[in-house]
Amino acid sequence: KQEVTQIPAALSVPEGENLVLNCSFTDSAIYNLQWFRQDPGKGLTSLLLIQSSQREQTSGRLNASLDKSSGRSTLYIAASQPGDSATYLCAVRPGQAGTALIFGKGTALSVSS
Amino acid sequence: NAGVMQNPRHLVRRRGQEARLRCSPMKGHSHVYWYRQLPEEGLKFMVYLQKENIIDESGMPKERFSAEFPKEGPSILRIQQVVRGDSAAYFCASSPFRGDQPQHFGDGTRLSIL
Repeated sequence: KQEVTQIPAALSVPEGENLVLNCSFTDSAIYNLQWFRQDPGKGLTSLLLIQSSQREQTSGRLNASLDKSSGRSTLYIAASQPGDSATYLCAVRPGQAGTALIFGKGTALSVSS
Repeated sequence: NAGVMQNPRHLVRRRGQEARLRCSPMKGHSHVYWYRQLPEEGLKFMVYLQKENIIDESGMPKERFSAEFPKEGPSILRIQQVVRGDSAAYFCASSPFRGDQPQHFGDGTRLSIL
């Protein structure tokens, strides 16, 4: 059974720091992996999608990497800003099921000015 | 280009009543997914639908819960005889294809049971 774990559960940093959020999954047979951002009381905003054949994806100050063999993904945020404060969720799409996303519990990020 | 639209945003029901949650997918998307987020829990998959078809309902509780996505109109998640444990945020997502496209989420419906 696929399980997704995100570490740390919460993170507080001062503005300007570069930071790394971690996601691990127990079954390496995934179709793709998606990183989301969730603001309080809001839905999920898709940040990056990495297909199983890819090693990384970049969008602005965000870079996500994927190492399928070790069951790990990292989300790197450069030069963090207070507006980056949110909960970041990692989700995998299992290779077999093909449709449903399996989510981690998220990392709650707070960036202080 | 409107995103995934869910309504209502907040819904309050008394125990034993019915709750109906609606989801309109993004334009051009024919695949809809429902997820539930319980307090202090991650999002859990409930059901995956295409127009007029339930493709995967493996995450749906066997009783009281049903979902549909008719040919015309929004997808509906229906919860009959609600109980306190149904209190949660219910999210809808849509995508154009099954596998290699990202799922786009709505803002959710916060269901509170009195």
